[in-house]
Amino acid sequence: GENVEQHPSTLSVQEGDSAVIKCTYSDSASNYFPWYKQELGKRPQLIIDIRSNVGEKKDQRIAVTLNKTAKHFSLHITETQPEDSAVYFCAARGLYNNNDMRFGAGTRLTVKP
Amino acid sequence: ETGVTQTPRHLVMGMTNKKSLKCEQHLGHNAMYWYKQSAKKPLELMFVYSLEERVENNSVPSRFSPECPNSSHLFLHLHTLQPEDSALYLCASSQESGNTIYFGEGSWLTVV
Repeated sequence: GENVEQHPSTLSVQEGDSAVIKCTYSDSASNYFPWYKQELGKRPQLIIDIRSNVGEKKDQRIAVTLNKTAKHFSLHITETQPEDSAVYFCAARGLYNNNDMRFGAGTRLTVKP
Repeated sequence: ETGVTQTPRHLVMGMTNKKSLKCEQHLGHNAMYWYKQSAKKPLELMFVYSLEERVENNSVPSRFSPECPNSSHLFLHLHTLQPEDSALYLCASSQESGNTIYFGEGSWLTVV
């Protein structure tokens, strides 16, 4: 089955700086890669996703890049703000199991004012 | 946004108790999931129901028993749990043919 690894586990940046979180996956057939943000005490919420036929996707200050050859994908947050502080999870979904989403261990991002 | 609702939000139970977690989704989805979230671990997929039939069980201990009476409701029945089962249990739903999974707020379970 799919195995997703996520780094770093914690990340601290100064407000205004950029933050990058990286994930690798094992199943070359995976074709869907979402990112979730979980604020303290709240549910994980989808913030951006990318499919395997696209190399990059951007939504305002958030972007995701995908390298299918290397089997890794990254989340980029620019001009970070204190409200970006949360735990971020990457995930990968296998091509042949539509219901099996595998998650990384999460990255706790702290943005210092 | 209250698309996926879980109750109770917090539960403390003894190792000999029997309790249930409830999940309800109002999004018209036809797949529902139970995930376990422990500190510093990936979200662990426990059960998947698609069109009300269980399609994934990831070797979860039998002390966890899921029930999906219809496409909008999902239960997790708990019996003789261990302290290491203490965690946040997240319910989620999606369209079987779609990709986005929507989570509930979770039920914090403490086993004493």
